[in-house]
Amino acid sequence: QVQLVQSGAELKKPGASVKVSCTTSGYTFNDYYMHWVRQAPGQGLEWMGRINPKSGGTYKAQKFQGRITLTSEPSINTHYMELTTLTSDDTAIYYCARWDTSLLTGDYWGQGTLVTVSS
Amino acid sequence: QSALTQPASVSGSPGQSITISCTGSNTDIGGYDYVSWYQQKPGKAPKLVIYGVNNRPSGVSNRFSGSKSGITASLTISGLQAEDEADYYCSSYTTYSSNWVFGGGTRLTVL
Repeated sequence: QVQLVQSGAELKKPGASVKVSCTTSGYTFNDYYMHWVRQAPGQGLEWMGRINPKSGGTYKAQKFQGRITLTSEPSINTHYMELTTLTSDDTAIYYCARWDTSLLTGDYWGQGTLVTVSS
Repeated sequence: QSALTQPASVSGSPGQSITISCTGSNTDIGGYDYVSWYQQKPGKAPKLVIYGVNNRPSGVSNRFSGSKSGITASLTISGLQAEDEADYYCSSYTTYSSNWVFGGGTRLTVL
């Protein structure tokens, strides 16, 4: 069965960086894009970016340009999202979500990674 | 501000039906039949309950149904149960490079 398992919660100071991992299983890694979505406390879902693991090509939301890096490591079926220059506004749960190219939607989601930014 | 517009909250009594609307534009909902709905319970990741406007993934109750007219999509839950209480998010494929847009979410309260 398809599984997306994310890394554990992080506590970071303002100005620091965080790198969240998303380890996948149950499907062919290179056949599905991965999207990253975040959810601030009590707020809705905010799309951050996506990566094509076969080509490494990415597209990121304008809001995060210059601060976000998306990478994939096919040898270990793992995707990464790194966000730099953190502020308290980046406190959120970060999700990876597999994009199904036939359904054109995110069908499986990771469990989420809480990133807290506090001095 | 979300790309898709949903009501902040809806409520209904057990056994009743409710409908949640989701309004977009011609670059997303109006242009494609790729509307999805997600259910999110506290402390959990979103769960896909409808895709392709009106299709249910395996294991999702047939009390959940979707529809679309023009730039507005709808999620209907019939025979409301206490377990349906959750936040619901619509999403759509979009022509923009992100390919994926979300609504702001609707909190469903079962009275």
